[in-house]
Amino acid sequence: DAGVIQSPRHEVTEMGQEVTLRCKPISGHDYLFWYRQTMMRGLELLIYFNNNVPIDDSGMPEDRFSAKMPNASFSTLKIQPSEPRDSAVYFCASSFSFWDQETQYFGPGTRLLVL
Amino acid sequence: AQTVTQSQPEMSVQEAETVTLSCTYDTSENNYYLFWYKQPPSRQMILVIRQEAYKQQNATENRFSVNFQKAAKSFSLKISDSQLGDTAMYFCAFMKLYSGAGSYQLTFGKGTKLSVIP
Repeated sequence: DAGVIQSPRHEVTEMGQEVTLRCKPISGHDYLFWYRQTMMRGLELLIYFNNNVPIDDSGMPEDRFSAKMPNASFSTLKIQPSEPRDSAVYFCASSFSFWDQETQYFGPGTRLLVL
Repeated sequence: AQTVTQSQPEMSVQEAETVTLSCTYDTSENNYYLFWYKQPPSRQMILVIRQEAYKQQNATENRFSVNFQKAAKSFSLKISDSQLGDTAMYFCAFMKLYSGAGSYQLTFGKGTKLSVIP
């Protein structure tokens, strides 16, 4: 299994630009999670999906952030417009509800730098 | 809301020695899981070990074991025979289960940076 795949691995952009982060969960997994990691706040959950439906987006910092999951094998996290304080590592994780659902498998992360 | 506290920002251990990382958590839930994740310099988050709250027996995975004290809400990680590849950030995490808001979400501690010295 290829594991959770995220792209791009690194992104540098200028303030005000739109940023789109992508995630492909492990095949067959029906939960997908987006996390953000910063020095100040540590690892925090932004949003998660079950069977492509957003379940809890209370961690999304503000309206500039949006996430979609159009099908079981793809999700995006979009920031528009981006700001320097959005600079962080963004992780996607997935899990499988029928067994071992408690274990989330993480992707390699996308390191975002907003100038 | 659940909170996870790791009181040791940094630790070091000599190669081949044993080290214990501390974690405490606060919750009113009875059904939950606890995890230790490892994050090496590559930034990948790697599951080290997990513990089901309903199990009294402490989980073990090769050189890694936990000391789970449910009443004290303590969940420490012991690494035996430390290896250079164990150098990483270690995160303790809590997951509420089964129903209601916050189910299946991981709440992380701030992490402990472990350095294994040759």
